[in-house]
Amino acid sequence: EADIYQTPRYLVIGTGKKITLECSQTMGHDKMYWYQQDPGMELHLIHYSYGVNSTEKGDLSSESTVSRIRTEHFPLTLESARPSHTSQYLCASSEGGHPNTGELFFGEGSRLTVL
Amino acid sequence: KNQVEQSPQSLIILEGKNCTLQCNYTVSPFSNLRWYKQDTGRGPVSLTIMTFSENTKSNGRYTATLDADTKQSSLHITASQLSDSASYICVVSGGNNRLAFGKGNQVVVIP
Repeated sequence: EADIYQTPRYLVIGTGKKITLECSQTMGHDKMYWYQQDPGMELHLIHYSYGVNSTEKGDLSSESTVSRIRTEHFPLTLESARPSHTSQYLCASSEGGHPNTGELFFGEGSRLTVL
Repeated sequence: KNQVEQSPQSLIILEGKNCTLQCNYTVSPFSNLRWYKQDTGRGPVSLTIMTFSENTKSNGRYTATLDADTKQSSLHITASQLSDSASYICVVSGGNNRLAFGKGNQVVVIP
C-alpha cells in the first residue's frame, strides 16, 4: 500500500465555489504530480513539483493552481469551479532517478462533480 | 494521436481463463514501460517495469513481454480471478522527460 492520501474522496459542489483537493505523502518523495482522469481516457498531467517551492504546469491546460510549501503536502485549488471541471483527480509521487521515469505511487483519487 | 495505444479496449473473460492485453507505442527514445492495475474507484498500482534489455518479466500470475524493435508490449494474465477485474494501463517513459499513458484495457472477470 502506498502512503499517499487524498481528501476528499468525493465532492459535489455548485458552480462558482472554491475548492481545494488535499494530497499528502509520508514517503519523503521529492516529486509529486496531479493527474486528471476521465472515463475511458488516458491520464493527463496537469501539475507537477520536483520539490519544495517548485511547481510547474503539465501537458493539459488547467485552471487549477497548486502549491508545495512542505515536501509531504501538494494541494490543488480551483478558485471558481465550473461543470467542465467535473472529473477524477489523481495525486501521485515518485522518488529519485530521472524525473518522470520512476514508479508512480498514486492516491485513491478525488472525484469532483460540479453542478 | 496518442503515443500509446492499447487493445482490446475492454474484454470479458471467465474466471480461470487466460487473457492477453496489448500495448503499442511510438515513444522515442524509449526508457522504460510499466503496466499499472487500477481497480474501480482506486488509484493505479504498478505491476511490472520493462526496460530496453528485458523481454519478459513475471509478477505472480501476470507476465509482461516487451519487443523494443516493434515497440510492442503485452500483459498476460494466467488463471484469471475475480480480483483481476480492473483497468490495466500501459505507461511508457521516454527521453523527453515525460510519461505517455494508454487509455487502459478494461478487464471484467465473471464467475
